[in-house]
Amino acid sequence: SAVISQKPSRDICQRGTSLTIQCQVDSQVTMMFWYRQQPGQSLTLIATANQGSEATYESGFVIDKFPISRPNLTFSTLTVSNMSPEDSSIYLCSASGALETQYFGPGTRLLVL
Amino acid sequence: SQKIEQNSEALNIQEGKTATLTCNYTNYSPAYLQWYRQDPGRGPVFLLLIRENEKEKRKERLKVTFDTTLKQSLFHITASQPADSATYLCALLAGSGGYQKVTFGTGTKLQVIP
Repeated sequence: SAVISQKPSRDICQRGTSLTIQCQVDSQVTMMFWYRQQPGQSLTLIATANQGSEATYESGFVIDKFPISRPNLTFSTLTVSNMSPEDSSIYLCSASGALETQYFGPGTRLLVL
Repeated sequence: SQKIEQNSEALNIQEGKTATLTCNYTNYSPAYLQWYRQDPGRGPVFLLLIRENEKEKRKERLKVTFDTTLKQSLFHITASQPADSATYLCALLAGSGGYQKVTFGTGTKLQVIP
């Protein structure tokens, strides 16, 4: 198993600013992912964070809005850029050795005013 | 279009009874299906995985069935306890062209009443 931590746990941000969320895994993992979960909704995959190369984004998500870094096998960041109130959501990081099991962080609760 | 549907209404059951949650999907050919538990303010926690060639999987008080003809999975919790109260998400692995990803359903909130 893997233990995932995320920072910050929550934040309130002003429109037009950017926030970087950090995800730390306690062991080396093959895959890391970033999801968004809006209240009462399911998890939506934003992108797969690839170590040493550009992230793979899902339809509807672009690098300019959600730049992602993964400098090593245990750490990744997601930046939410030029935020608007529509970006208010919970952002979740997950890690997996194989897709059969994903381990999730506690999430970052973002409110954009 | 592709859909994963879970009962959006909360399921309330009496303690000690068996809770049964449903996950239906359309326009997917999943290699496997997973069930996760999510408590308020927390990330999902993996519970069980069942593969396309498996009919049933058990783990302690949990049982999952997978019917690829009906395109449905059922998730059972026997002898339910108030501590089982949470939202349960199904997720499936599917894809094409060498790219696969896990897609989640909307979840069903289970409330076990003492």
